[in-house]
Amino acid sequence: GNSVTQMEGPVTLSEEAFLTINCTYTATGYPSLFWYVQYPGEGLQLLLKATKADDKGSNKGFEATYRKETTSFHLEKGSVQVSDSAVYFCALSNSGAGSYQLTFGKGTKLSVIP
Amino acid sequence: EPEVTQTPSHQVTQMGQEVILRCVPISNHLYFYWYRQILGQKVEFLVSFYNNEISEKSEIFDDQFSVERPDGSNFTLKIRSTKLEDSAMYFCASSDFRGKETQYFGPGTRLLVL
Repeated sequence: GNSVTQMEGPVTLSEEAFLTINCTYTATGYPSLFWYVQYPGEGLQLLLKATKADDKGSNKGFEATYRKETTSFHLEKGSVQVSDSAVYFCALSNSGAGSYQLTFGKGTKLSVIP
Repeated sequence: EPEVTQTPSHQVTQMGQEVILRCVPISNHLYFYWYRQILGQKVEFLVSFYNNEISEKSEIFDDQFSVERPDGSNFTLKIRSTKLEDSAMYFCASSDFRGKETQYFGPGTRLLVL
């Protein structure tokens, strides 16, 4: 079946530090990959996505590249801000295998301190 | 910008009672989903719905659960006889077509079963 593994948190960084949150996946075929963000007390918001190998998703300074050879979709940001403090979820959907549900990782809580 | 809305934002109920969680998906979307997130755990898929029938469901979505699109705008999740372990945040999502398009999430309903 499908699964997503992301690095355990929490992650605490100082403002302007470089962020990497690792995400690897298991799926048959060619899944689409997503990063969702959940700010405190709010729902899930799509941060970025990539639908095929070597695609790079980007938004708000965050980037992730779909690496089929390593089955990874690591999230990066060059300079984090306090407002980036949130829980980040890596997810996949695998329509090619006939499934449209999103499979999520456990989430990584990021805290950015001034 | 169109968004998914959910009501109520919070609900407290007694074990064994029925609850109905309501969602208004984005108006031109055709595919609807329910997910849940037990406190501190990952987001889990419950069910997907298209063309007035269930497309997929998870093992969590047993006979205690049902979904309905009673009119052209609402999408509901009913839990017939709530259990303590049903306490969670329930998210509705919608997408404009299946597969690799993005699911847009509502803000969630926090359900507490006492």
